Amino acid sequence: NAGVTQTPKFQVLKTGQSMTLQCAQDMNHNSMYWYRQDPGMGLRLIYYSASEGTTDKGEVPNGYNVSRLNKREFSLRLESAAPSQTSVYFCASSVGQGTDTQYFGPGTRLTVL
Amino acid sequence: AQSVTQPDIHITVSEGASLELRCNYSYGATPYLFWYVQSPGQGLQLLLKYFSGDTLVQGIKGFEAEFKRSQSSFNLRKPSVHWSDAAEYFCAVGLDAGGTSYGKLTFGQGTILTVHP
Repeated sequence: NAGVTQTPKFQVLKTGQSMTLQCAQDMNHNSMYWYRQDPGMGLRLIYYSASEGTTDKGEVPNGYNVSRLNKREFSLRLESAAPSQTSVYFCASSVGQGTDTQYFGPGTRLTVL
Repeated sequence: AQSVTQPDIHITVSEGASLELRCNYSYGATPYLFWYVQSPGQGLQLLLKYFSGDTLVQGIKGFEAEFKRSQSSFNLRKPSVHWSDAAEYFCAVGLDAGGTSYGKLTFGQGTILTVHP
């Protein structure tokens, strides 16, 4: 049982480049989330997917798109990366919505030059 | 909107000393409260959570937290800190919008714990 996995672990982009962060979970969870972590700001929700086939904006969605490919996979895409998107990105999943415990992946450290 | 404040950015304790990390929240209804720990270069791991019932909650690794409604607080405690407890700790509040609840968590800024031998 791998839990929540994320690829890549590290990435460096130039301004304007695009990339997709991948996330997969093998716990049969319904809900999945993308967060970004910046120093002194905790984690902020970018997008979430309450169930397969649905996605919704979180607190900081601008500059990002997501795809819930199937129940296991939830990807985050940066269409035109900006230096302000330099951050550590975490994917998480939970059984359902609401107050269920969220389980986090190891993170992707992204630097945009 | 809900908010979470962790007043201490960085705390240093000696190994074997007791620990208390503070967390204050702002939310109209009864919140759902969590403490997560993040070791360097790792993801977040749940330490404990409070939904209802007994206001003193026991978690993993010897941690406990107490929900105090009158003070809007959910402080994390450990009676004797080990060097392996050095990490960053996050308090989070979950929103339950009744029948259409969704799993949005609002995190505090985090408290970095350093443990001296």
